[in-house]
Amino acid sequence: DQQVKQNSPSLSVQEGRISILNCDYTNSMFDYFLWYKKYPAEGPTFLISISSIKDKNEDGRFTVFLNKSAKHLSLHIVPSQPGDSAVYFCAASGLSGYALNFGKGTSLLVTP
Amino acid sequence: DAEITQSPRHKITETGRQVTLACHQTWNHNNMFWYRQDLGHGLRLIHYSYGVQDTNKGEVSDGYSVSRSNTEDLPLTLESAASSQTSVYFCASSENGQTDTQYFGPGTRLTVL
Repeated sequence: DQQVKQNSPSLSVQEGRISILNCDYTNSMFDYFLWYKKYPAEGPTFLISISSIKDKNEDGRFTVFLNKSAKHLSLHIVPSQPGDSAVYFCAASGLSGYALNFGKGTSLLVTP
Repeated sequence: DAEITQSPRHKITETGRQVTLACHQTWNHNNMFWYRQDLGHGLRLIHYSYGVQDTNKGEVSDGYSVSRSNTEDLPLTLESAASSQTSVYFCASSENGQTDTQYFGPGTRLTVL
């Protein structure tokens, strides 16, 4: 049973606009959340994270928002660039120690 | 530069054969993890280790085993490969705690015929 859900398999955004990727989780024991970015034929690379004691974390063009009551987090990319085109995975930890529970991923395409 | 490597990058094997996938990291990280990625499932945890001689089962551990005899390596063994184990396998490592970043290797694409 998927405990981290990314319900949008794909998203297309124009260059310069905002990309918003969404993620929901079902288990309130999760207390640390991450976003990873993955290009084809490569391993996932860490993008940004947020602890459950915060509701926002920002790093350059990337911001993650956490709404604990709704068990929802989102990744905002502003402005979007063609190089951001990749699969984005939402992940959470807190159940199996430090191991990560991943969503299925959202494929982002940023068009010029 | 410190890194995490996986070998082989691609492997084709037959049903019933034993297969070992290698994972080697040079960061001296305590934690190491194995995940598999399948279409429609994202990445799922197979096994993990928090240090030498420590191993733990993950969500999809049936048919897999690991051993941790040193800090740098966590090989993943498929005891008797099955077609359902055709997948892309990723190894990851992190330093110590929960908030330490997990760094992933480039992956091994395994096909079981």
